Amino acid sequence: EAQVTQNPRYLITVTGKKLTVTCSQNMNHEYMSWYRQDPGLGLRQIYYSMNVEVTDKGDVPEGYKVSRKEKRNFPLILESPSPNQTSLYFCASSFSAGGRWYFGAGTRLSVL
Amino acid sequence: KQEVTQIPAALSVPEGENLVLNCSFTDSAIYNLQWFRQDPGKGLTSLLLIQSSQREQTSGRLNASLDKSSGRSTLYIAASQPGDSATYLCALETSGSRLTFGEGTQLTVNP
Repeated sequence: EAQVTQNPRYLITVTGKKLTVTCSQNMNHEYMSWYRQDPGLGLRQIYYSMNVEVTDKGDVPEGYKVSRKEKRNFPLILESPSPNQTSLYFCASSFSAGGRWYFGAGTRLSVL
Repeated sequence: KQEVTQIPAALSVPEGENLVLNCSFTDSAIYNLQWFRQDPGKGLTSLLLIQSSQREQTSGRLNASLDKSSGRSTLYIAASQPGDSATYLCALETSGSRLTFGEGTQLTVNP
């Protein structure tokens, strides 16, 4: 089954403790992206990648890192999480620019 | 900067009614427009994708239109059912593979 898989689905952590949210897609997609969703602000792009080793900032990249060492994986790294990063995070992938985007089920993160 | 507005923010209708959800945007330089459905606690499901050169797309009871000149898209849902209850989001893809989302319309279809 074609899908985008995020892990974990739920995470509670404390300020400053490094964490990684994994994202994997099995559709051989070139493009991958991370979004966060907050009430009143909607979905905003954090980072995106157009291919292996090619990444770029979205609208709200501060406090986040990404890497794209393999085509299927695009992890989101929070080196020193803060409470304002409490949010619902989505990973997405697409075969090409202008193509249909497929989203993961989301990761709900709480930073205390 | 692209801005996307969805009206109404919430809509409640009786089962069987036909309905229209609206999406407006400020920048017509887009690759495409995509309508998504989001169920509580779940991810986004792609419903329809309209390329920049197209005017509309249909899938089952859903029909989406795109008018770049006026900066508008509509999602038409025919014969609504309780299972259609969800939040509907429109998103525009611009350069850099960036999706800009509206805040969504929360639809409730009452039995």
